[in-house]
Amino acid sequence: GENVEQHPSTLSVQEGDSAVIKCTYSDSASNYFPWYKQELGKRPQLIIDIRSNVGEKKDQRIAVTLNKTAKHFSLHITETQPEDSAVYFCAASIRGSGYSTLTFGKGTMLLVSP
Amino acid sequence: GAVVSQHPSWVICKSGTSVKIECRSLDFQATTMFWYRQFPKQSLMLMATSNEGSKATYEQGVEKDKFLINHASLTLSTLTVTSAHPEDSSFYICSASGGVGTGELFFGEGSRLTVL
Repeated sequence: GENVEQHPSTLSVQEGDSAVIKCTYSDSASNYFPWYKQELGKRPQLIIDIRSNVGEKKDQRIAVTLNKTAKHFSLHITETQPEDSAVYFCAASIRGSGYSTLTFGKGTMLLVSP
Repeated sequence: GAVVSQHPSWVICKSGTSVKIECRSLDFQATTMFWYRQFPKQSLMLMATSNEGSKATYEQGVEKDKFLINHASLTLSTLTVTSAHPEDSSFYICSASGGVGTGELFFGEGSRLTVL
């Protein structure tokens, strides 16, 4: 089955700095890669996703890059703010005509200091 | 986006009792729902895939007789933790797909189970 590795497990940055979280996956058939933000005790919230036919996607301060050859994808957050502090999960799945299950990375706890 | 509601948000029970958690898709029909378990400071681990009108598919290592899943309608899936023990204490989260071929999974609020 799919295996998703995520690094680092914790990341501390100063407000205004950039933060980068990296993930690798094992199943070359995976074609959908979402990123979720989870605040303590709350449900995961989708913040951005990318499909395998795209190499990069950006939404304001958040961007995701995908390298299918190397089977890794990364989340980039620029101009970080204290409210960005949360746990971030990457995931991978195979998206086709039916449902598919997500395999999550272990998560990265991001702490943005004022 | 679509809304998935989960109930109860937290529950405390005695060891040996059973607890039922409901997951509802409020504004869309979900033929498939997923149940996850999350221990403190850990990732979401898929427990089972719930299919409307058929038996759930359980992940390896998850006891199907202990974690009973029923998906009797297109908007409701239930997870029953039978004969709960302290080691079953965890955060249980359901999710549902917005439809065939759509990208996003929508998560419920989660249910925190504490077994005394």
